[in-house]
Amino acid sequence: DVKVTQSSRYLVKRTGEKVFLECVQDMDHENMFWYRQDPGLGLRLIYFSYDVKMKEKGDIPEGYSVSREKKERFSLILESASTNQTSMYLCASGGNEQYFGPGTRLTVT
Amino acid sequence: AQSVTQPDIHITVSEGASLELRCNYSYGATPYLFWYVQSPGQGLQLLLKYFSGDTLVQGIKGFEAEFKRSQSSFNLRKPSVHWSDAAEYFCAFNTNAGKSTFGDGTTLTVKP
Repeated sequence: DVKVTQSSRYLVKRTGEKVFLECVQDMDHENMFWYRQDPGLGLRLIYFSYDVKMKEKGDIPEGYSVSREKKERFSLILESASTNQTSMYLCASGGNEQYFGPGTRLTVT
Repeated sequence: AQSVTQPDIHITVSEGASLELRCNYSYGATPYLFWYVQSPGQGLQLLLKYFSGDTLVQGIKGFEAEFKRSQSSFNLRKPSVHWSDAAEYFCAFNTNAGKSTFGDGTTLTVKP
């Protein structure tokens, strides 16, 4: 079974903090993705990576950066967390179909 | 523009009744098509996919979907819904380098 794990299920951070969300996949997928999910807005792609050290902006990259130093690990970084980044963050990996992690519910206070 | 439309935001069905969730896509050719399910507080799980060939595809949990090129549709069906099917369902397509476009989702409520 494909497994995608995310470092935290729930996270509470303060405004201005630097936040790291980690994602690890065990299927040797080249593509990995970060989405955020908000009620009424569906899934919105933040960044994706198609190879180690390669990344592309998605639809809403502002306020985020990513790191992919190893094939199995894709990190999302909030340089200075803000309250409007309170959301559910979903990581995925895969080729045509995507395999999702369980999500991290981030609250920024 | 490429897009996926799920016209129904919320659907309620009785347990044991049949279900159809609608999905329409906008793209110049036939994309790869998917349905995912998300239980509360969880990530998305792939239900089924269509790449080519037989236009009726079977998935997990007793779901099936039919691709209709003439209608640009990929509707999800289940003949008899169970209470555990209550969840949010997402239609998606993929055209380029594994990047997917998702619909906004349909929330399914199952009445006892």
